[in-house]
Amino acid sequence: SQTIHQWPATLVQPVGSPLSLECTVEGTSNPNLYWYRQAAGRGLQLLFYSVGIGQISSEVPQNLSASRPQDRQFILSSKKLLLSDSGFYLCAWSVGQLGQPQHFGDGTRLSIL
Amino acid sequence: QKEVEQNSGPLSVPEGAIASLNCTYSDRGSQSFFWYRQYSGKSPELIMFIYSNGDKEDGRFTAQLNKASQYVSLLIRDSQPSDSATYLCAVQSGSARQLTFGSGTQLTVLP
Repeated sequence: SQTIHQWPATLVQPVGSPLSLECTVEGTSNPNLYWYRQAAGRGLQLLFYSVGIGQISSEVPQNLSASRPQDRQFILSSKKLLLSDSGFYLCAWSVGQLGQPQHFGDGTRLSIL
Repeated sequence: QKEVEQNSGPLSVPEGAIASLNCTYSDRGSQSFFWYRQYSGKSPELIMFIYSNGDKEDGRFTAQLNKASQYVSLLIRDSQPSDSATYLCAVQSGSARQLTFGSGTQLTVLP
């Protein structure tokens, strides 16, 4: 069966520090991968998605970036965090076919001080 | 811009009652629709998906889709306190099968 791992679970970072969040998927090949952010009490905002190695699409302009160095690895990064980057970051995967759902990791709660 | 609208609630129902959650979407070309449940502090988990007009039942849950009205709903029968959560409606589109989420409806089932 497929599983998705996200780490760390929680992170407290000072403003201006760098960020690296990692997500890996097991049990499937060539998944579509997604990064979302959820602000407190809000819905999910799609940040990035990838349909293959090295293929990254950005949904919103921001100081974050994403990379997919391996088929089942998705990384979210920032060179300098802003206070507004606080939130709950979720990685998800799908098989990429119409009608198939996305499955979420456990998320990373990021607090910027 | 694609939009998905949900009543934010909170919606409170007594234990054993039917909870009705509603969602409208703006992209008439959308083809697949999903309901996720999210407990406080946790990640969303899939409840149901639907892509044909009409009803789809799975246990206590029924999803209803009306593409002409651009409306999708989720009914929870015999509601239990464990159903208390935020329910997210999501609409799928795009070549990468992206999901656009509503802001969620907070449901509380009172014992």
